[in-house]
Amino acid sequence: DGGITQSPKYLFRKEGQNVTLSCEQNLNHDAMYWYRQDPGQGLRLIYYSQIVNDFQKGDIAEGYSVSREKKESFPLTVTSAQKNPTAFYLCASSQGAGQRYEQYFGPGTRLTVT
Amino acid sequence: QQQVKQSPQSLIVQKGGISIINCAYENTAFDYFPWYQQFPGKGPALLIAIRPDVSEKKEGRFTISFNKSAKQFSLHIMDSQPGDSATYFCAASGTGAQKLVFGQGTRLTINP
Repeated sequence: DGGITQSPKYLFRKEGQNVTLSCEQNLNHDAMYWYRQDPGQGLRLIYYSQIVNDFQKGDIAEGYSVSREKKESFPLTVTSAQKNPTAFYLCASSQGAGQRYEQYFGPGTRLTVT
Repeated sequence: QQQVKQSPQSLIVQKGGISIINCAYENTAFDYFPWYQQFPGKGPALLIAIRPDVSEKKEGRFTISFNKSAKQFSLHIMDSQPGDSATYFCAASGTGAQKLVFGQGTRLTINP
């Protein structure tokens, strides 16, 4: 069953703690993306990666970090420097980077920081 | 210039009616305009997409209308059904761009 897995579905953390969100894909896609979704603001790009061991900042990268050590995995760390981390986080992947390739989304992780 | 503005924020339509969601953009380099559909608790999924060489694209009950001169595009859902109730996002990107720019989303509710 091919697709994108994000875990956990719900995550709760205390303020000041770093937290890592998991994203795994078995679609053999080269490109992977992390988005943040807030009510009324659509999807905003945090980071994206076109190939293993390479990634670029998106529009709202401050307070976040990523790694891409394996093709199928693209974990996102929300650091304590992120001022407003409570949000719905979506991971996506595509066969390649660029508009020719459809982005497939995972089910998301809802992070709540108190 | 990188923004895509989407309206309305929420929309209620009776079953069988036509749902219309509008998007506007400023960047004339945009040349790919997809629409995504998202059900509660799920990730978005590509619904339909258009390029500016055509003014309209239809797939089943879903139609994209594109007005290049006005820099606007819209999604029409004909014979709207309760199962269409979801959040819809428009997006845009330019040739060579590595990312999509998303609109703010429209929460559509179809009343039975």
